[in-house]
Amino acid sequence: AQSVAQPEDQVNVAEGNPLTVKCTYSVSGNPYLFWYVQYPNRGLQFLLKYITGDNLVKGSYGFEAEFNKSQTSFHLKKPSALVSDSALYFCAVRDRDNFNKFYFGSGTKLNVKP
Amino acid sequence: DGGITQSPKYLFRKEGQNVTLSCEQNLNHDAMYWYRQDPGQGLRLIYYSQIVNDFQKGDIAEGYSVSREKKESFPLTVTSAQKNPTAFYLCASRHRDNEVTEAFFGQGTRLTVV
Repeated sequence: AQSVAQPEDQVNVAEGNPLTVKCTYSVSGNPYLFWYVQYPNRGLQFLLKYITGDNLVKGSYGFEAEFNKSQTSFHLKKPSALVSDSALYFCAVRDRDNFNKFYFGSGTKLNVKP
Repeated sequence: DGGITQSPKYLFRKEGQNVTLSCEQNLNHDAMYWYRQDPGQGLRLIYYSQIVNDFQKGDIAEGYSVSREKKESFPLTVTSAQKNPTAFYLCASRHRDNEVTEAFFGQGTRLTVV
């Protein structure tokens, strides 16, 4: 079965410091991985995705993610956090057999303090 | 502007009532989805549809029903058989032609049983 895990319910970081939000996956074969962000009472917004190729994927709002096949991880990163980055972040993986099914992690709440 | 519109934003349901949540998209996407979001549980798939007049059950379809009579519309009915309907409901769509496209989400409907 395909799945993703976000081991941290919450991440706290000071503004200007680098941030990392962790995601590990379990899939058979090559994974298709996604990161989304959700602000309070809003829908999810797409940040970036990994399909193939370069292990470092750049996305919206200065975010990037590093795909690590040996560690089965896809951590979200940003070199310098902003207070406005405070939100709920979701990692997702697409099902290999059913292209229409995506499995989401439980979410990580990012708090960036001034 | 292209996008997905969910209505209403807030919905209150009495015990034993059926309610219908609206989802409309003008992105010309083939696939549409309904997810349920509960705190700390991430997103769980209720139903999805790949084309008009066709839909499939997701992981938690019991107590819900959908229809897909038009490409643009994918309404979700929460029936009285759903024992714990209070949640945040998210509709999404994606282009089916490209298998690794990301999903676009609506702004959500918060359903509360009173």
